[in-house]
Amino acid sequence: DQQVKQNSPSLSVQEGRISILNCDYTNSMFDYFLWYKKYPAEGPTFLISISSIKDKNEDGRFTVFLNKSAKHLSLHIVPSQPGDSAVYFCAARDPYNTDKLIFGTGTRLQVFP
Amino acid sequence: NAGVTQTPKFQVLKTGQSMTLQCAQDMNHEYMSWYRQDPGMGLRLIHYSVGAGITDQGEVPNGYNVSRSTTEDFPLRLLSAAPSQTSVYFCASSYGQGAAYEQYFGPGTRLTVT
Repeated sequence: DQQVKQNSPSLSVQEGRISILNCDYTNSMFDYFLWYKKYPAEGPTFLISISSIKDKNEDGRFTVFLNKSAKHLSLHIVPSQPGDSAVYFCAARDPYNTDKLIFGTGTRLQVFP
Repeated sequence: NAGVTQTPKFQVLKTGQSMTLQCAQDMNHEYMSWYRQDPGMGLRLIHYSVGAGITDQGEVPNGYNVSRSTTEDFPLRLLSAAPSQTSVYFCASSYGQGAAYEQYFGPGTRLTVT
């Protein structure tokens, strides 16, 4: 059973507009979340993280929002650029073993001119 | 700084063959891990290590073996390859002792088992 879900396999956004990638989780014990970005034929790269004691974290054009009551987090990219076209993975730290990450299935973002 | 390196980039195996996927990092990271990526499944943890001499199982450890004799190297062994092990394999490392820290991933090994 998928504990971290990314229900949108793909998203297409115009350059300059906002991209919103969503992630839902089932276990309220999850306390730390991360986003990774992956280009084709490359390994994932870390993007941004958020602890459950916060509801927002910003890093330049990237902002992650956490809604604990809804068990939902989202990644906002503003403004979107063609170089942001990649697969984005949401991940949560396993609350029972903090050495493990549980990844979602990923959302492919395409930013067109 | 080469970061995390993986060899080979591509490999084709026949069912029943064994092989070792190599992973090395030059960042003196204590934590290393192996993931597999399959379509529609995201990244799934196979094995991980929090330091030399210490390894543990992840979510999908069956059919794989690991060892960690040095801080730098974390090889993944396929004992008897099966078509279900066709996947892209990623090795990662991080400076922290847990998965919450930023992990640096290698470029991946694409494995096909026929």
